[in-house]
Amino acid sequence: GAVVSQHPSWVICKSGTSVKIECRSLDFQATTMFWYRQFPKQSLMLMATSNEGSKATYEQGVEKDKFLINHASLTLSTLTVTSAHPEDSSFYICSASWVSSGLTDTQYFGPGTRLTVL
Amino acid sequence: AQTVTQSQPEMSVQEAETVTLSCTYDTSESDYYLFWYKQPPSRQMILVIRQEAYKQQNATENRFSVNFQKAAKSFSLKISDSQLGDAAMYFCAYRRLKKKLVFGKGTKLTVNP
Repeated sequence: GAVVSQHPSWVICKSGTSVKIECRSLDFQATTMFWYRQFPKQSLMLMATSNEGSKATYEQGVEKDKFLINHASLTLSTLTVTSAHPEDSSFYICSASWVSSGLTDTQYFGPGTRLTVL
Repeated sequence: AQTVTQSQPEMSVQEAETVTLSCTYDTSESDYYLFWYKQPPSRQMILVIRQEAYKQQNATENRFSVNFQKAAKSFSLKISDSQLGDAAMYFCAYRRLKKKLVFGKGTKLTVNP
């Protein structure tokens, strides 16, 4: 149980184009989804938190107009990198969680998406 | 602000031996959760084990166990009978309910055959 998928697993795009990454919880309803960015040999950096049906909360320093997050349903969240530039090249990881009976709301992670902007 | 410190950037262990990864954290809260995640070369983050702070009993999951010392704010991970598949980056993480997950910088574990 608690499987999270991401699509695509890797994408190459030209500078100036937009790229959409999907994150799905396959066997549970995710009350909250998270988007992270990971640079090589570093830890995960939280970009934003989203709850179904409401606007995402972005971390300080993350451009909300550049990284558009939509959480339209309890099983799907999307991250759109708009007008991508080479510095946006990175590994993007989503995670999803739910609250059950007040117990720990563990985050389960997707397999990640490697974005390369030429 | 809460912080998580993993003081060992790299560790190595012989196959079938036991290794302990260290983690300390800083918080003024009494209710929180602690996690160890594993990130193998595939980069898929995998939950290894979790601990609720209100529980005194240390969590165990097969070959993985923790030594949770609440007063010392320490949360170490012990891997017994190490296997080649255990080689990965291990991240310690802290979270208050409904708050964001705070990660340490990670420990790279190498398992030697």
